[in-house]
Amino acid sequence: ETGVTQSPTHLIKTRGQQVTLRCSSQSGHNTVSWYQQALGQGPQFIFQYYREEENGRGNFPPRFSGLQFPNYSSELNVNALELDDSALYLCASSRSSGASTDTQYFGPGTRLTVL
Amino acid sequence: AQTVTQSQPEMSVQEAETVTLSCTYDTSESDYYLFWYKQPPSRQMILVIRQEAYKQQNATENRFSVNFQKAAKSFSLKISDSQLGDAAMYFCAYRRGYSGGGADGLTFGKGTHLIIQP
Repeated sequence: ETGVTQSPTHLIKTRGQQVTLRCSSQSGHNTVSWYQQALGQGPQFIFQYYREEENGRGNFPPRFSGLQFPNYSSELNVNALELDDSALYLCASSRSSGASTDTQYFGPGTRLTVL
Repeated sequence: AQTVTQSQPEMSVQEAETVTLSCTYDTSESDYYLFWYKQPPSRQMILVIRQEAYKQQNATENRFSVNFQKAAKSFSLKISDSQLGDAAMYFCAYRRGYSGGGADGLTFGKGTHLIIQP
């Protein structure tokens, strides 16, 4: 197992609500990336946090936002939930030097169901 | 934009046999990394093997090895002596090399479901 943890394991929300997912990175890692994995698909990159700032994002709307804390843990917030947001949300931590990022190690994921 | 294609939705192999999973990718960059991740039913994505594009030698990790063909943009995974615990979804992933301050998000293929028959 990696040292990356995520909470909660499962979550059920209704359309229009807001949700916060949490991730604790592996010891020694300073970068957190978030991915959305729809059923039967590969993960899709949402965004990445380095030094407490978002340093790039994939093709996701602004209602997907995040935070990174001084201890390098991170939160993913999704506002105005839609049915299509139902997915497995994966967090990955890695070590970055600013110029490049080392291999990403994944947490067990949070399964979000939107009704 | 980079794309990763896994053309085999499902593969089946007898225990102790060898199986090869295919992956092709498209990129205009010369510096990048390629990965194979395994996702068992427990959902946790586990790194299997990593290949740096600048290295000509194919990466090997115990029973797992890759055939990296840079000119053909092909990156296949060979699993030798297949074991029941190898059963999982296998994802091929691409990441650019030099970040230049931008994000280093992984681009994944759709995955190959590997079945191990006892």
